[in-house]
Amino acid sequence: DAGVIQSPRHEVTEMGQEVTLRCKPISGHDYLFWYRQTMMRGLELLIYFNNNVPIDDSGMPEDRFSAKMPNASFSTLKIQPSEPRDSAVYFCASSGPGTGMDEQYFGPGTRLTVT
Amino acid sequence: GEDVEQSLFLSVREGDSSVINCTYTDSSSTYLYWYKQEPGAGLQLLTYIFSNMDMKQDQRLTVLLNKKDKHLSLRIADTQTGDSAIYFCAEKGNSGAGSYQLTFGKGTKLSVIP
Repeated sequence: DAGVIQSPRHEVTEMGQEVTLRCKPISGHDYLFWYRQTMMRGLELLIYFNNNVPIDDSGMPEDRFSAKMPNASFSTLKIQPSEPRDSAVYFCASSGPGTGMDEQYFGPGTRLTVT
Repeated sequence: GEDVEQSLFLSVREGDSSVINCTYTDSSSTYLYWYKQEPGAGLQLLTYIFSNMDMKQDQRLTVLLNKKDKHLSLRIADTQTGDSAIYFCAEKGNSGAGSYQLTFGKGTKLSVIP
């Protein structure tokens, strides 16, 4: 398997623009997690899905953030409108039956810069 | 809610041992993990320990678990410059809901001085 795939790897946008981050989990995994990593706050869980259903979105910072999982192989995280304080690295991770030790597998991340 | 704490920075000389410490609050933790993040990359599982174990050794890595004190440590023997990275402690609770959710610490940045 190719692992968790994220796109784009880097995104630079201007304040006020809409940003969409994409994730393809590992085939067969039924849990998908979105994290944000910054120097100040470390790694934060934003939202996670089980069987394409959002289970806990309490980490989503505000209404400008939304996430969807239309099917088992694709998820998006959207920020609209984007602000400079959204600049961070966003990670997607997946897990589920067959992972052995219930560990999560992380994608390479999307580095977002909002100017 | 559950919390995982770890120091933010550690600096060691090449060839010395590194010890990264972590404390957690969830007494129902089933698995505890150490993830490694190299610059510009995602987190990768380095090692793990089941909650009924005290110690696990894997080549240069030794994981110690003190369940009574809820303290986890990772020892890297003969630390090399390639070990420079951020190390995350994580724990998995025993909750039926969100059974694959992990709680991560903020990460310890290990710097190895040649």
